[in-house]
Amino acid sequence: NAGVTQTPKFQVLKTGQSMTLQCAQDMNHEYMSWYRQDPGMGLRLIHYSVGAGITDQGEVPNGYNVSRSTTEDFPLRLLSAAPSQTSVYFCASTKSETQYFGPGTRLLVL
Amino acid sequence: DQQVKQNSPSLSVQEGRISILNCDYTNSMFDYFLWYKKYPAEGPTFLISISSIKDKNEDGRFTVFLNKSAKHLSLHIVPSQPGDSAVYFCAASGGGNEKLTFGTGTRLTIIP
Repeated sequence: NAGVTQTPKFQVLKTGQSMTLQCAQDMNHEYMSWYRQDPGMGLRLIHYSVGAGITDQGEVPNGYNVSRSTTEDFPLRLLSAAPSQTSVYFCASTKSETQYFGPGTRLLVL
Repeated sequence: DQQVKQNSPSLSVQEGRISILNCDYTNSMFDYFLWYKKYPAEGPTFLISISSIKDKNEDGRFTVFLNKSAKHLSLHIVPSQPGDSAVYFCAASGGGNEKLTFGTGTRLTIIP
């Protein structure tokens, strides 16, 4: 039981490049979410999903897309990276109102 | 509009003493509160939670207190240990929604 896994751990992008941050969980949780953590800002919700085929926007969705084709996977896509998207990204899955976080992806956009 | 506030960015406590971390919220719909602990280069890990029907929940060295009228909760760690040095996030959910709203975190440093 690996819990929540995220890849890559670290990524450097140039402005305008696209990439997908991968997230997978093996706990069969329906609810998954993506956060970004910035200094002095805490964790801010980007997108979330209440089950396969269903996604919704969080607090800071602009510049990000998500899809949820399976219960296990919840990838986050940056279509055209901007320096403002430099951050640490955490994926989480939820059971009974407790969220279980992955180890994070540190993204640097130059 | 910050609905969950942790007004102390940092806190230093002597080993063996009590650490008290505070959190305030503004949304009356919040009915479930959690504390998460985060070490550098790791994801946050769940520590303890409390439902709004209670005013206290205890788990070993960790106790969370909820004052609904003041919209305030606190996390007490006693006795504090060096391994408790981390960033602590307060979070809240409510209205039948599993979405969590996080505070900005408090960096706790335990001094040996």
